[in-house]
Amino acid sequence: EAQVTQNPRYLITVTGKKLTVTCSQNMNHEYMSWYRQDPGLGLRQIYYSMNVEVTDKGDVPEGYKVSRKEKRNFPLILESPSPNQTSLYFCASSLGWDRGTDTQYFGPGTRLTVL
Amino acid sequence: DAKTTQPPSMDCAEGRAANLPCNHSTISGNEYVYWYRQIHSQGPQYIIHGLKNNETNEMASLIITEDRKSSTLILPHATLRDTAVYYCIVRAHSGNTPLVFGKGTRLSVIA
Repeated sequence: EAQVTQNPRYLITVTGKKLTVTCSQNMNHEYMSWYRQDPGLGLRQIYYSMNVEVTDKGDVPEGYKVSRKEKRNFPLILESPSPNQTSLYFCASSLGWDRGTDTQYFGPGTRLTVL
Repeated sequence: DAKTTQPPSMDCAEGRAANLPCNHSTISGNEYVYWYRQIHSQGPQYIIHGLKNNETNEMASLIITEDRKSSTLILPHATLRDTAVYYCIVRAHSGNTPLVFGKGTRLSVIA
């Protein structure tokens, strides 16, 4: 089944404790992206990647890192989480970024709470 | 900022057509209209998109006015499982153009 998976689905952690949220897609998609969703603010893009070893900042990259060593995986790293990073996180992927290839498929979400 | 305006909520009787409007009066010539939906904090789900012609797929139909300043998403026979927040998004096909989700329309399908 074609899908985007995220792990963990739920995480409660404490300030400053490094964590990684994994994202994997099995559709051979080139484009991958991370969003966070907060009440009243909608979904905002954190980072994106247009191919292996190519990543760039989205609208709200502060406090996050990403890597794209393999096509299928795009982990989100919080080196020193803070309470303002408590949010619902979504990973998304698409075949490409041009007409006909840019329909984005989303993972199920990771609900992160930083105490 | 989102470039679209949608009503905050709508109700629809089960089995009837749900017509969700969207205004995008500042849409550019190279921007497409996309619709996604999100069912209770699940990942957003792609529904349909179009440029200027009406589009139909297995989920829905998209009607875009001739001046492209507004559109309507039609779910022909709404079911309880269609209860969700529906987002109308305009974006161009070029490079990284992230999806900008506004507040959307909360559709409640009622038995």
